[in-house]
Amino acid sequence: AQSVTQPDIHITVSEGASLELRCNYSYGATPYLFWYVQSPGQGLQLLLKYFSGDTLVQGIKGFEAEFKRSQSSFNLRKPSVHWSDAAEYFCALATGGGNKLTFGTGTQLKVEL
Amino acid sequence: GAVVSQHPSWVICKSGTSVKIECRSLDFQATTMFWYRQFPKQSLMLMATSNEGSKATYEQGVEKDKFLINHASLTLSTLTVTSAHPEDSSFYICSARDLGQGNIQYFGAGTRLSVL
Repeated sequence: AQSVTQPDIHITVSEGASLELRCNYSYGATPYLFWYVQSPGQGLQLLLKYFSGDTLVQGIKGFEAEFKRSQSSFNLRKPSVHWSDAAEYFCALATGGGNKLTFGTGTQLKVEL
Repeated sequence: GAVVSQHPSWVICKSGTSVKIECRSLDFQATTMFWYRQFPKQSLMLMATSNEGSKATYEQGVEKDKFLINHASLTLSTLTVTSAHPEDSSFYICSARDLGQGNIQYFGAGTRLSVL
């Protein structure tokens, strides 16, 4: 069965510092991978996606992620974090022909001013 | 990106009553919509997949008679929590798949259900 692991439950960074959120997946076929962000009491907003091709994908709000098949990873990065980036971040894997999303447990990002 | 509207955003009801939550795709047609449940500080758990014009597919452990799903049009799916009890209190989120965007699900803002 497929699974997504986000090893870090909480991460705190200073505003302006760089950020990397880790995501590892387990799936027997080519994965469709996503990063979503959720603000408190809100739904999920898509940051970026990987389907195929270039393994470094660019998303909204200055985020990027790199797919590494050998490490089964899809880590999210941002060069300089803004206070407004504080939120919950979810990595997700699409299976079942893209129908079903399996989510990681999420990483709560806190930004110190 | 595509917009999914979910209503209401917050509902409080008495135990034993039923609550209906609506999920609408505003600028695209969605043959498939999804309903998730999220407990505090936890991830999203898929409850069911809603297909326009056919019966919903429920995940293992989800009570079909408790969580009624209707997907009568290409832009609207509803989730009805029947005979709600306090343990049904949760955050419910819908998503809709935009075929024009491939395998991308766009999410509503969620509904906070509190059953007294």
